[in-house]
Amino acid sequence: DVVMTQTPPSLSVAIGQSVSISCKSSQSLVASDKNTYLNWLLQSPGRSPKRLIYQVSKLDSGVPDRFSGSGSEKDFTLKISRVEAEDLGVYYCLQGTHLPQTFGGGTKLELK
Amino acid sequence: EVQLVESGGGLVKPGSSLKLSCVASGFTFSSYGMHWIRQAPKKGLEWIALIYYDSSNKYYADSVKGRFTISRDNSKNTLYLEMNSLRSEDTAMYYCVRGAGFAYWGQGTLVTVSS
Repeated sequence: DVVMTQTPPSLSVAIGQSVSISCKSSQSLVASDKNTYLNWLLQSPGRSPKRLIYQVSKLDSGVPDRFSGSGSEKDFTLKISRVEAEDLGVYYCLQGTHLPQTFGGGTKLELK
Repeated sequence: EVQLVESGGGLVKPGSSLKLSCVASGFTFSSYGMHWIRQAPKKGLEWIALIYYDSSNKYYADSVKGRFTISRDNSKNTLYLEMNSLRSEDTAMYYCVRGAGFAYWGQGTLVTVSS
């Protein structure tokens, strides 16, 4: 199985600060169709997970452009510029290239 | 609007069985593969099963293989997860999720396995 290593496990931030979360995979996530199926999800407290970004860098509809995704092959980053209160929760990376699909361990974003 | 509504969770004893359902609406259910993903209390997310749009292929996590069965009824827009030989470690919130993109998640149904 592909192992997704997500760091840091937690982040304490002030509103308005920028943060980055790293996700590294044990295998390349480039699929046979040349796409890279790396997603970022946010689980707000008490809620179901919500996809924010798909295929490394494509923002879902309604997701603020304060969020950005980057990376390739095995090394990916989620960046949040100017954190707002609504951004707090647990972020997960998820690879959809290989079966079984696998998640990173999560990064909890908290207020400082 | 895409909606996924899970049901069927509850408190059961170890070794027992349970069948979860997920009713889909707002999209052509028969065109999409569907997943079950679970989350143990205070833990991360775990993918457990996938079924293709036409039920031609099914895949399972090793943790549930041989005990859980994913199925669907496209005429009823419904996804199922039949869970047998339940263990305490199966205690989790179970989510149904649409398609390869994981863009749409249900609200989850809670399964608690305890004596």
